[in-house]
Amino acid sequence: NAGVMQNPRHLVRRRGQEARLRCSPMKGHSHVYWYRQLPEEGLKFMVYLQKENIIDESGMPKERFSAEFPKEGPSILRIQQVVRGDSAAYFCASSPVQGAANTEAFFGQGTRLTVV
Amino acid sequence: GQNIDQPTEMTATEGAIVQINCTYQTSGFNGLFWYQQHAGEAPTFLSYNVLDGLEEKGRFSSFLSRSKGYSYLLLKELQMKDSASYLCAVLGYQKVTFGTGTKLQVIP
Repeated sequence: NAGVMQNPRHLVRRRGQEARLRCSPMKGHSHVYWYRQLPEEGLKFMVYLQKENIIDESGMPKERFSAEFPKEGPSILRIQQVVRGDSAAYFCASSPVQGAANTEAFFGQGTRLTVV
Repeated sequence: GQNIDQPTEMTATEGAIVQINCTYQTSGFNGLFWYQQHAGEAPTFLSYNVLDGLEEKGRFSSFLSRSKGYSYLLLKELQMKDSASYLCAVLGYQKVTFGTGTKLQVIP
């Protein structure tokens, strides 16, 4: 039973390019969270998705960032026209049930985005 | 909204005991997690508290007081490998919100 899989592990993009980060949740998990972590800082919530639904995107920047979790396939975090400030580690976590007691969110290994 | 506070850094000696505090204000509460994160790695689950009191798991224990909006993580018999960031996280109505983490350095 594979854990949360994120790819790529490392991504380098030039300013102005697009970055696509993928997250495959644990088998049987239908809830996905994306977090961003800047160097030496904590995890900041970005978006919470269920299959084909965005539940909470209060942590997503209003422009250039979007996320989806289609019926088939991984969840995608898309950053358009990247800037240097987007350089960070992006972590995905999945859980089986929304807000349930003792719902441990399992984390992927993260994608480290570097914008040059 | 949710606000979570924990100290930025702590230093402790190998073999000693350290307590990492976390206070929170939240509009909904369904439990509090502690995660450990080594530099460059993903967070890993340590504990979950939803009722008041102490939960013990080996060298690690976690305490919760819901009325005070307070939790602590207690690490006993510290080892060098315990040097890491410790993240306090609150499960609100729908999402898990993390504090900025406490960077623990264990020294010989």
